[in-house]
Amino acid sequence: GAVVSQHPSWVICKSGTSVKIECRSLDFQATTMFWYRQFPKQSLMLMATSNEGSKATYEQGVEKDKFLINHASLTLSTLTVTSAHPEDSSFYICSADSGIVGELFFGEGSRLTVL
Amino acid sequence: AQKVTQAQTEISVVEKEDVTLDCVYETRDTTYYLFWYKQPPSGELVFLIRRNSFDEQNEISGRYSWNFQKSTSSFNFTITASQVVDSAVYFCALSERGRGAQKLVFGQGTRLTINP
Repeated sequence: GAVVSQHPSWVICKSGTSVKIECRSLDFQATTMFWYRQFPKQSLMLMATSNEGSKATYEQGVEKDKFLINHASLTLSTLTVTSAHPEDSSFYICSADSGIVGELFFGEGSRLTVL
Repeated sequence: AQKVTQAQTEISVVEKEDVTLDCVYETRDTTYYLFWYKQPPSGELVFLIRRNSFDEQNEISGRYSWNFQKSTSSFNFTITASQVVDSAVYFCALSERGRGAQKLVFGQGTRLTINP
């Protein structure tokens, strides 16, 4: 079946640094990908919709200058957490829209810890 | 706005018991999809089922079964003869159409613990 891959699966960084997380659709093209954030013991909350070739659409309350999203190709979207702080520590997970109604595929997730 | 409610935050049962996880949703869309995902401690989301709004047939897959009732806006999930490996957080989700693509609205999740 379709596979979406995220990298890195976990990352530890110092406060103030930037971290990039990649989301790749391995065997299909995805014009739209979604980025979710999950704090410990909480649900997944949509952060933004990543659109290939255009600007991402951010959900209310999500800082677009802090969470930079780039969807430069039909198989890759990246999320960059800029100037990361401990409160940004979370599990970030992406999903890719296959274009087939009702079919979404999730990456394995990336666990970010900011010291 | 679309909303998914999983009222059961945590459930703990003894192995081999049957357990039902509740899911109630709200939407104004006439066409939508409902999902169930399993999230083990490792974190990845494991897809369990997708159901579209026009298909109200119940589904059974091994020890798993799902009951979809549009009249009560519910999509409940039952595990029969539970096993320790079923321990995980389970999320119910609703697709939300937006700009031709789909994004999911997740419930709060139910943490299921199966005790030996």
